[in-house]
Amino acid sequence: DTAVSQTPKYLVTQMGNDKSIKCEQNLGHDTMYWYKQDSKKFLKIMFSYNNKELIINETVPNRFSPKSPDKAHLNLHINSLELGDSAVYFCASSRGTSGRWGQETQYFGPGTRLLVL
Amino acid sequence: AQSVTQPDIHITVSEGASLELRCNYSYGATPYLFWYVQSPGQGLQLLLKYFSGDTLVQGIKGFEAEFKRSQSSFNLRKPSVHWSDAAEYFCAVAGNTGGFKTIFGAGTRLFVKA
Repeated sequence: DTAVSQTPKYLVTQMGNDKSIKCEQNLGHDTMYWYKQDSKKFLKIMFSYNNKELIINETVPNRFSPKSPDKAHLNLHINSLELGDSAVYFCASSRGTSGRWGQETQYFGPGTRLLVL
Repeated sequence: AQSVTQPDIHITVSEGASLELRCNYSYGATPYLFWYVQSPGQGLQLLLKYFSGDTLVQGIKGFEAEFKRSQSSFNLRKPSVHWSDAAEYFCAVAGNTGGFKTIFGAGTRLFVKA
């Protein structure tokens, strides 16, 4: 059983397009995250939601918009894609116990490899 | 500012040899420390974590790590490396400050030679 799944696994698109990446977790967790991993493997948090509420919103372009329709899903929509958006995007989830988020193990999806041409 | 430094971009060890991956952190409060492993084309998986108590923590796959507050370090060790351990290893720090964010190091790529 896949705990954290992402679709698509690969995404190749042209500059200026709009695309979405979907993430679903079946662990019953309350908190979900989006990370960006660049070509040098550097992993940086972008967003985090707890029970559909935004709790971490890092300095990312407002072309990136997360949406959490329910606590099992956290999608990432990207408008007007740019070359610099090429990266691997990881979704993750954690239990989401209030006040203890910093201690929690995060469970990662397999990643979505985005290439903007 | 909170940060994690992994001084070694890549390390090569022979199969059966011992391994130590270095991690230094900077954090203004009590840190929660993690080691994650990323196999090629995969997401990250937790190896072990430290919150409090015994400063030597055991993890999965035979890994252990030691927290040394005086050195702000949390080095990962394994006594005998297997070829399947070849992967990217990430040290991370989090806590109840900084908005609960987990800060990851840049990673250390482990190569295992036969």
